[in-house]
Amino acid sequence: DAKTTQPNSMESNEEEPVHLPCNHSTISGTDYIHWYRQLPSQGPEYVIHGLTSNVNNRMASLAIAEDRKSSTLILHRATLRDAAVYYCILRALMGWGGDYKLSFGAGTTVTVRA
Amino acid sequence: ETGVTQSPTHLIKTRGQQVTLRCSSQSGHNTVSWYQQALGQGPQFIFQYYREEENGRGNFPPRFSGLQFPNYSSELNVNALELDDSALYLCASSSTRDTPNEQFFGPGTRLTVL
Repeated sequence: DAKTTQPNSMESNEEEPVHLPCNHSTISGTDYIHWYRQLPSQGPEYVIHGLTSNVNNRMASLAIAEDRKSSTLILHRATLRDAAVYYCILRALMGWGGDYKLSFGAGTTVTVRA
Repeated sequence: ETGVTQSPTHLIKTRGQQVTLRCSSQSGHNTVSWYQQALGQGPQFIFQYYREEENGRGNFPPRFSGLQFPNYSSELNVNALELDDSALYLCASSSTRDTPNEQFFGPGTRLTVL
């Protein structure tokens, strides 16, 4: 599986933007970049995904480098509720049907200061 | 719409015992994936079930097995429990690869092996 590299931790102040980097230098042409986050005592939840173009949704923005070897998740205005572990994942195809598998790394622990 | 549910919430077993964990997928989802999350680490893919068959497997021994039922709910069985099996077990449901790409996670079952 292609690997991702993320910083172990990042800190932010409330209502300031947070930029979470992810390196994935071995990404293949068909790999999608997914971001999930895991709040304390909960299962992971989907944040955003993309292939080549930058993506925006209600939770965040995803900026993908032109060579696709890196990406950045942007939380525009961090709130205390955004404190979580954020995982950058390259989605891998599975077998003969079904869905893709998610290969999680250690993620980035985001702390938001009030 | 009911989300992904898992039972039990917590479980304590001793070495050598067997355990069964259960997962009810979200309505309309036909694929269930299971993950193991050790303390302080990201989730690790165990296997995925699609149309009641195993669709792919991570690096886990055969004593980890599963089932998917016609209603798409699923079970994870672990035989001959070892101390290192202590972890949070997460299931995630999703649609097939041709439809939206998000996996929906349950809250997990915390297994402690003594």
